[in-house]
Amino acid sequence: TQLLEQSPQFLSIQEGENLTVYCNSSSVFSSLQWYRQEPGEGPVLLVTVVTGGEVKKLKRLTFQFGDARKDSSLHITAAQPGDTGLYLCAGGSQGNLIFGKGTKLSVKP
Amino acid sequence: GAGVSQSPRYKVAKRGQDVALRCDPISGHVSLFWYQQALGQGPEFLTYFQNEAQLDKSGLPSDRFFAERPEGSVSTLKIQRTQQEDSAVYLCASSLARTSGSQKTQYFGPGTRLLVL
Repeated sequence: TQLLEQSPQFLSIQEGENLTVYCNSSSVFSSLQWYRQEPGEGPVLLVTVVTGGEVKKLKRLTFQFGDARKDSSLHITAAQPGDTGLYLCAGGSQGNLIFGKGTKLSVKP
Repeated sequence: GAGVSQSPRYKVAKRGQDVALRCDPISGHVSLFWYQQALGQGPEFLTYFQNEAQLDKSGLPSDRFFAERPEGSVSTLKIQRTQQEDSAVYLCASSLARTSGSQKTQYFGPGTRLLVL
């Protein structure tokens, strides 16, 4: 069974701080995706990483895929209150997505 | 709008009642997925359609759960004899294709929050 473990589960920080969220698995995934989900809404895709060692940047967000394609990280620089939400990583498995439990981020002004 | 829509947004059911949840995917999207998201958890796969064919229902938790997509567009997830453990958010997602590069990107609806009392 393929599982994705995310850490930390909860994160509460002040505006302006940096943070990193981790997504780890014992299985190799062909791709990993990061989503952000706000209360009462469905997950919204932020990025897809496909190649081992790949780094993608989306404004203040930096995503990295591990060399072995088993883990990924999301780094946010100078967090803002608008970054508050549930961050989910998901791995592709035969077309379906396997999600981690998510990291609930709260950024206080 | 042009996104995935779901109805109802909220549903309260008494234990033992049947419920039907509707999903309108993005027009032209071939693939449709249902996920269940329990409180504090990530979404878990329930079932997958390619057009009207249900190709994977391995995630359905019991035979009380049934999904259909008779004309290859709108889909309905039905739960019979609801139990308290069925309380969750039910998410629908659609994609242009299932396995072809960027076309497999899944777009999620807002979900239906089901509470079984």
